[in-house]
Amino acid sequence: KQEVTQIPAALSVPEGENLVLNCSFTDSAIYNLQWFRQDPGKGLTSLLLIQSSQREQTSGRLNASLDKSSGRSTLYIAASQPGDSATYLCAVSTNAGKSTFGDGTTLTVKP
Amino acid sequence: NAGVTQTPKFQVLKTGQSMTLQCAQDMNHEYMSWYRQDPGMGLRLIHYSVGAGITDQGEVPNGYNVSRSTTEDFPLRLLSAAPSQTSVYFCASSYSAGYNQPQHFGDGTRLSIL
Repeated sequence: KQEVTQIPAALSVPEGENLVLNCSFTDSAIYNLQWFRQDPGKGLTSLLLIQSSQREQTSGRLNASLDKSSGRSTLYIAASQPGDSATYLCAVSTNAGKSTFGDGTTLTVKP
Repeated sequence: NAGVTQTPKFQVLKTGQSMTLQCAQDMNHEYMSWYRQDPGMGLRLIHYSVGAGITDQGEVPNGYNVSRSTTEDFPLRLLSAAPSQTSVYFCASSYSAGYNQPQHFGDGTRLSIL
């Protein structure tokens, strides 16, 4: 059974700091890994999707990496802003579409 | 461009009642799924569908039924509500399960069972 772990569970940083969120998974037979953002009381917004054959994806200040063999992914946020405060979730999927989510990292960026 | 629409947004039920959570998408996505999210936790897959007429169980299917008669709609039925089913329910869709397309989520249904 696939298990996904996100560390840390919560993170508080001052504005402008670069930060890394971690995601690990137990079964490397994945099809893709997706990072999401969830604001309080809202649904999930897709940030980045990395295919199993890829090593990283970038969007603006966000960079996600994938090391499938070691079962790890990181989400790097550059020059953090208060508007980045949210919960960040990672999910790994099989090619049949079954997704397993981590419990998330709640990020607070202080002005 | 509505995306994924879930109704209702909030619902309170009594133990033993039944209800249907609605999910509709207008993106012609083949793949649809239902998740539940409990406080402080990630999402757990309840049921999913890879196309009209095809459904399968996820991680926590007990107490829930689904059907997929059209591409657009994927309702989730609670047959006899229990307090353990108090949760936030999310519906998601994507172009196809095997095409590395991101999942799009609705805003959720917040369900309380008394």
